[in-house]
Amino acid sequence: NAGVTQTPKFRVLKTGQSMTLLCAQDMNHEYMYWYRQDPGMGLRLIHYSVGEGTTAKGEVPDGYNVSRLKKQNFLLGLESAAPSQTSVYFCASRGHNNSPLHFGNGTGLTVT
Amino acid sequence: QQQVKQSPQSLIVQKGGISIINCAYENTAFDYFPWYQQFPGKGPALLIAIRPDVSEKKEGRFTISFNKSAKQFSLHIMDSQPGDSATYFCAASRETSGSRLTFGEGTQLTVNP
Repeated sequence: NAGVTQTPKFRVLKTGQSMTLLCAQDMNHEYMYWYRQDPGMGLRLIHYSVGEGTTAKGEVPDGYNVSRLKKQNFLLGLESAAPSQTSVYFCASRGHNNSPLHFGNGTGLTVT
Repeated sequence: QQQVKQSPQSLIVQKGGISIINCAYENTAFDYFPWYQQFPGKGPALLIAIRPDVSEKKEGRFTISFNKSAKQFSLHIMDSQPGDSATYFCAASRETSGSRLTFGEGTQLTVNP
């Protein structure tokens, strides 16, 4: 099993550019999440989804949008990238409440 | 607003020593407390977890101690090994929260040979 796969692995954007990060899971999980990881700040939840067609805001949603059109995919979009969005982004999924989160290996994003 | 506070930010331990990482939480409704381990270039992975109906849980060299009245929990790594060098995150969630985990800031553990 591939588990949780994130693409791309790395990306450099200029301020104002847009991009979409793709997350795919093959475990038939209901819940999917996007986190960002910054030094000294841990993992902060951006958006999440409790099922196909649903999305909800997390702790730091501003500047990001998400879509969950298919159960196995969760897309994170940046419409107009800003240097403050330079971070490592992690996607995760879980099957039900309080089951282990399965993380992808992250996408490193630099906005210049 | 950080609902889960973790300390220390970094920790250096000699091989064979005990590593101790502490977390404190604010929300008394939290009922699930996992620890995640992250190696460089990888995503975090679940290490061990506890629910508030027990005060301690042990899995091999890893033990969680939980103090409900103090709203604190800690990870103890016995006989620490260089392979344990990683970043450790504590986390907490409520069963009915829509399944959202709140993470601590992370602790970078280095175990010297």
